[in-house]
Amino acid sequence: DAMVIQNPRYQVTQFGKPVTLSCSQTLNHNVMYWYQQKSSQAPKLLFHYYDKDFNNEADTPDNFQSRRPNTSFCFLDIRSPGLGDAAMYLCATSRAGSGRGANVLTFGAGSRLTVL
Amino acid sequence: AQKITQTQPGMFVQEKEAVTLDCTYDTSDPSYGLFWYKQPSSGEMIFLIYQGSYDQQNATEGRYSLNFQKARKSANLVISASQLGDSAMYFCAMRVYSSASKIIFGSGTRLSIRP
Repeated sequence: DAMVIQNPRYQVTQFGKPVTLSCSQTLNHNVMYWYQQKSSQAPKLLFHYYDKDFNNEADTPDNFQSRRPNTSFCFLDIRSPGLGDAAMYLCATSRAGSGRGANVLTFGAGSRLTVL
Repeated sequence: AQKITQTQPGMFVQEKEAVTLDCTYDTSDPSYGLFWYKQPSSGEMIFLIYQGSYDQQNATEGRYSLNFQKARKSANLVISASQLGDSAMYFCAMRVYSSASKIIFGSGTRLSIRP
């Protein structure tokens, strides 16, 4: 099945030790998103790619970086994780355009980050 | 600025009853889309239903319908004949088409279905 795959599902890191989370998709969607979701809160958009164009949210800390080497893959790098970065990280994809089919987000299962 | 508001942090409903989850939104852009997603305890976000701002009819997808009141800027989700498997977090979301591809979410409503 075409889908969005996130790895790893669970990541434990130490305070300040860099972490990379990956996301791959077989949907050939041109838009990819990274959301941060803390417990019992709404997903918060960190950034998104429209093809190769990177769009950073104004309040996303510099500690968070992203790479999209090709259409299928996107990475989230956390350079120096703090305790406040412990969260679920959700990758999602969509087609660009207007109308229902173009805008529905397809989510991966998430990567849960624990910072010790 | 765009904003999504969900005022019900939690709801309890008896199985087989209908339930309405509230969502209001704020945007000055005439072209936008509204979504509802379900998030079970497993964590994965599941798309339920979509309503475009120019759609004349309220959207329906099986047991889900969206009560779209454009003048009131509300987009309530109605679940008919609730089931135990409907217990989850429900998020309302919006995309304003003039703001690139950004989609924002409300704070969510935790729905619990009682047997």
